Amino acid sequence: DQQVKQNSPSLSVQEGRISILNCDYTNSMFDYFLWYKKYPAEGPTFLISISSIKDKNEDGRFTVFLNKSAKHLSLHIVPSQPGDSAVYFCAASGAGANSKLTFGKGITLSVRP
Amino acid sequence: NAGVTQTPKFRILKIGQSMTLQCTQDMNHNYMYWYRQDPGMGLKLIYYSVGAGITDKGEVPNGYNVSRSTTEDFPLRLELAAPSQTSVYFCASSSHHGTEAFFGQGTRLTVV
Repeated sequence: DQQVKQNSPSLSVQEGRISILNCDYTNSMFDYFLWYKKYPAEGPTFLISISSIKDKNEDGRFTVFLNKSAKHLSLHIVPSQPGDSAVYFCAASGAGANSKLTFGKGITLSVRP
Repeated sequence: NAGVTQTPKFRILKIGQSMTLQCTQDMNHNYMYWYRQDPGMGLKLIYYSVGAGITDKGEVPNGYNVSRSTTEDFPLRLELAAPSQTSVYFCASSSHHGTEAFFGQGTRLTVV
């Protein structure tokens, strides 16, 4: 049973446009959410996170939005650049038994020049 | 800045062979993790450790063993390699549970 779902396996956008990557979760005990970026033949690298006490967190071109009632979060990349082409993983954690990071399957983002 | 270092980067094993994947971190993190990533799948937690001398099972521990004798090192042992263990393995560490984890570059293992 997948607790963190990234239902779209891939996304292709034009350079300069906005990329919106979506993530849904089912476990209401999750209260901390992270996005990781992964290039081929490398390990995932942390991108941005958000706590459940917030609904938005921004870092440069990257913004994460959290909708707790819908159990949904999204990562916005504006403007998208070819170097953003990678696999993006959504991850979540909570307290106690949910304290370990649970990852989604990932979304492959391709930014066309 | 080394961060999390994994060795080897690639390995081919025959069915039934054993090997140890090495992982070391220089950030003095208490928490360390081993994940595997299969094609088209997310990262599945194999084992984790909350500090030296303490280890616990993750989602997919069968066929693996770990030890944590020091804060820095967290090796993963495969005793009897099976084709189902063909995967990319990532080691990670973090200062707190469930927060930003730093990953190694991965070990691509093929069992034939």
